Amino acid sequence: DAGVTQSPTHLIKTRGQQVTLRCSPKSGHDTVSWYQQALGQGPQFIFQYYEEEERQRGNFPDRFSGHQFPNYSSELNVNALLLGDSALYLCASSLWSGEQYFGPGTRLTVT
Amino acid sequence: DAKTTQPTSMDCAEGRAANLPCNHSTISGNEYVYWYRQIHSQGPQYIIHGLKNNETNEMASLIITEDRKSSTLILPHATLRDTAVYYCIVRPRLIYNTNAGKSTFGDGTTLTVKP
Repeated sequence: DAGVTQSPTHLIKTRGQQVTLRCSPKSGHDTVSWYQQALGQGPQFIFQYYEEEERQRGNFPDRFSGHQFPNYSSELNVNALLLGDSALYLCASSLWSGEQYFGPGTRLTVT
Repeated sequence: DAKTTQPTSMDCAEGRAANLPCNHSTISGNEYVYWYRQIHSQGPQYIIHGLKNNETNEMASLIITEDRKSSTLILPHATLRDTAVYYCIVRPRLIYNTNAGKSTFGDGTTLTVKP
């Protein structure tokens, strides 16, 4: 049984560009949450998707957007990249309100 | 979400029990205590969770005080591979609670297991 998978593993982008990160949830899970983790800090909640809708959002600007597909996979899009967006982006899946299982993350570097 | 307070770092000798404390004095009645750990910037790994009773699984034990304002994660026989950052978070688990999926992480406790 595959766990949470994320792609790509690493990514380098230039300021002002746009990026799309992808997440496939653990089999049987229907809820996906995205987190941003800066170096040396704990993960910060970006938003959560359930039934293809954004259900909850953390304190992130509108440059951060997402989508959930009918197969429960999800994308995180970040527009107009800033240097401060460099971080490890984590996807976590769960059944609604259940334990969250995290993927390995995507390391984004903005230069 | 209730906030949690954890020590920044702790050391433990290999083979000994590691006891990691967490304060969550503003925890609400419907909020569970969850513990995760993160090794070398991998994704956080779920360890255990509980509401008010003590819990044990193959990885660890969770002791929650009677007033639920604090808890302790116990790794009974720490190994070098248990060196990681340990996060204690509290969040609701009730279905249809819109806060259920949002986990608020602090900076965690860096546990170093020494030979």
